Amino acid sequence: GESVGLHLPTLSVQEGDNSIINCAYSNSASDYFIWYKQESGKGPQFIIDIRSNMDKRQGQRVTVLLNKTVKHLSLQIAATQPGDSAVYFCAESGSGGYNKLIFGAGTRLAVHP
Amino acid sequence: DAGVTQSPTHLIKTRGQQVTLRCSPISGHKSVSWYQQVLGQGPQFIFQYYEKEERGRGNFPDRFSARQFPNYSSELNVNALLLGDSALYLCASSLTGEEPQHFGDGTRLSIL
Repeated sequence: GESVGLHLPTLSVQEGDNSIINCAYSNSASDYFIWYKQESGKGPQFIIDIRSNMDKRQGQRVTVLLNKTVKHLSLQIAATQPGDSAVYFCAESGSGGYNKLIFGAGTRLAVHP
Repeated sequence: DAGVTQSPTHLIKTRGQQVTLRCSPISGHKSVSWYQQVLGQGPQFIFQYYEKEERGRGNFPDRFSARQFPNYSSELNVNALLLGDSALYLCASSLTGEEPQHFGDGTRLSIL
């Protein structure tokens, strides 16, 4: 399929290392923040979300951290695998809720064996 | 279970034409949202529908319109196509609009 994110910033990591992808958001009123993974030729796939009243949330191999003071969001992936290679987008709800998301520009994660 | 399905997968049109894109949500999902993703960028919100009512509209011109049918499927229409409308059009669904949505794989629209 067509490549997503041809000119996006790229994070290159070795297989087995931990990855940290960062995102700055814009709207202090956002209630929800979501990370999506998009592989080439596919739609975005939900990874994990966090509400604005939380600082940290963990899932399977992933952790999302929210710093409301500096409007910063990060996604940590433990023991990165080749299948994690994709473009990662953060999204915020703004004032519109879960289904009217404002997406960031995206970061390409390249995992090398 | 089938995920969000969109048709067609690819479409080529010329400037000035009109196009209709279709979306079937996950079974039981009543909320559908549409996004436009230009190559190299994140998706941009166009519309949200819930129970056949428009619940939100992004910053897109009136050439863009949508509707939702009683079976919760949805269509996105774009009139008077411009070269800048070339993009991946994504449909996403959720149960009520108050939880994370699931995306389809999109329709790739190319304008010549």
